Amino acid sequence: LAKTTQPISMDSYEGQEVNITCSHNNIATNDYITWYQQFPSQGPRFIIQGYKTKVTNEVASLFIPADRKSSTLSLPRVSLSDTAVYYCLVGAFNTDKLIFGTGTRLQVFP
Amino acid sequence: NAGVTQTPKFRVLKTGQSMTLLCAQDMNHEYMYWYRQDPGMGLRLIHYSVGEGTTAKGEVPDGYNVSRLKKQNFLLGLESAAPSQTSVYFCASRTNTRGTYEQYFGPGTRLTVT
Repeated sequence: LAKTTQPISMDSYEGQEVNITCSHNNIATNDYITWYQQFPSQGPRFIIQGYKTKVTNEVASLFIPADRKSSTLSLPRVSLSDTAVYYCLVGAFNTDKLIFGTGTRLQVFP
Repeated sequence: NAGVTQTPKFRVLKTGQSMTLLCAQDMNHEYMYWYRQDPGMGLRLIHYSVGEGTTAKGEVPDGYNVSRLKKQNFLLGLESAAPSQTSVYFCASRTNTRGTYEQYFGPGTRLTVT
């Protein structure tokens, strides 16, 4: 299983774009990259997943460079409600388990 | 469609007592997981199951047992609770469709062992 490294915490202000980068140097060919969001006292919630290049959905974008050794979750125009912990996970097509790291604690200020 | 539900929501145990946490999902998912989350920490995988009748160990399996007798249910047992098992326990499930990694989480069970 690929090990991931993320910043422990980040601060931002409402309306700004936030980019959270995850390092996964030993990512394997069959590995996908997935991001989750967790609010206090709740279970994590899936945000986005990708394999290469760029993926966008209604809440976020995921940028993956050609070497796939890192990925960046981009949250456009954050609001106070985006204050949460964000986890990056890496796993293969047939992975039966995914390992959560310690995540990045994002604090959004008014 | 209730998604993933967990029973109970809260529980206080004394050291040495036993209990079973129940996780149920109504999405016909093959994979199910049990995690624990200690204050200020990430989630750690305890046990998981890739299908009815199968279970496997995760990162921190010691002190826990699991069973998956029915596809929709995944039980986590503590035979002799210890204070170190005080934590929030989350259950999750997902489909085994190729390339799909979205895990659906339950609301959690807050367990305190005194």
